[in-house]
Amino acid sequence: TQLLEQSPQFLSIQEGENLTVYCNSSSVFSSLQWYRQEPGEGPVLLVTVVTGGEVKKLKRLTFQFGDARKDSSLHITAAQPGDTGLYLCAVDSNYQLIWGAGTKLIIKP
Amino acid sequence: NAGVTQTPKFQVLKTGQSMTLQCAQDMNHEYMSWYRQDPGMGLRLIHYSVGAGITDQGEVPNGYNVSRSTTEDFPLRLLSAAPSQTSVYFCASSYFITRQSGTGELFFGEGSRLTVL
Repeated sequence: TQLLEQSPQFLSIQEGENLTVYCNSSSVFSSLQWYRQEPGEGPVLLVTVVTGGEVKKLKRLTFQFGDARKDSSLHITAAQPGDTGLYLCAVDSNYQLIWGAGTKLIIKP
Repeated sequence: NAGVTQTPKFQVLKTGQSMTLQCAQDMNHEYMSWYRQDPGMGLRLIHYSVGAGITDQGEVPNGYNVSRSTTEDFPLRLLSAAPSQTSVYFCASSYFITRQSGTGELFFGEGSRLTVL
């Protein structure tokens, strides 16, 4: 059983559609990070959320940390082909980052 | 802007062979780590280091050794390769961390794809 459950595992949608992906756990965290990984590259940090209920926006991407700091969501508005990639969430635990398995997102032109 | 550099990018080994994956960073980061990434399993931590001379085990350390003689370099050694070690390996680094501040933003290399036959 993974500490972080990401859903859906895979999502393929048309350009211009909206979508939401989720990162859930039964544990409480002090912070949560979202990364995007493109094929053949390492993950790159998108955002860190720290406060329960916090909402952060990065252009068309909106990140929310649950009030109880157990879960997070990533909403993309008007998805573009450049949003294609593997979206990973991660949390800190004793000098280690624990990772979800990721959501593979494909945006079709 | 070199960042985190991994070599080699691709490697094929036979079962029982040994090899070293190299990782170097030029950002003066104290924290360095090695992950393996397998389909459907996300990133799993192999070993990490919070500074030169200090290393510790992560979630899946068996079959791997590391050392940290300098701040810049953090090589990963496979002692006797097994097919189960076929994976993509990532080196990542971040600024000095504390238990209170957490790992912070990790900067990743481009990965090393290893196949063990």
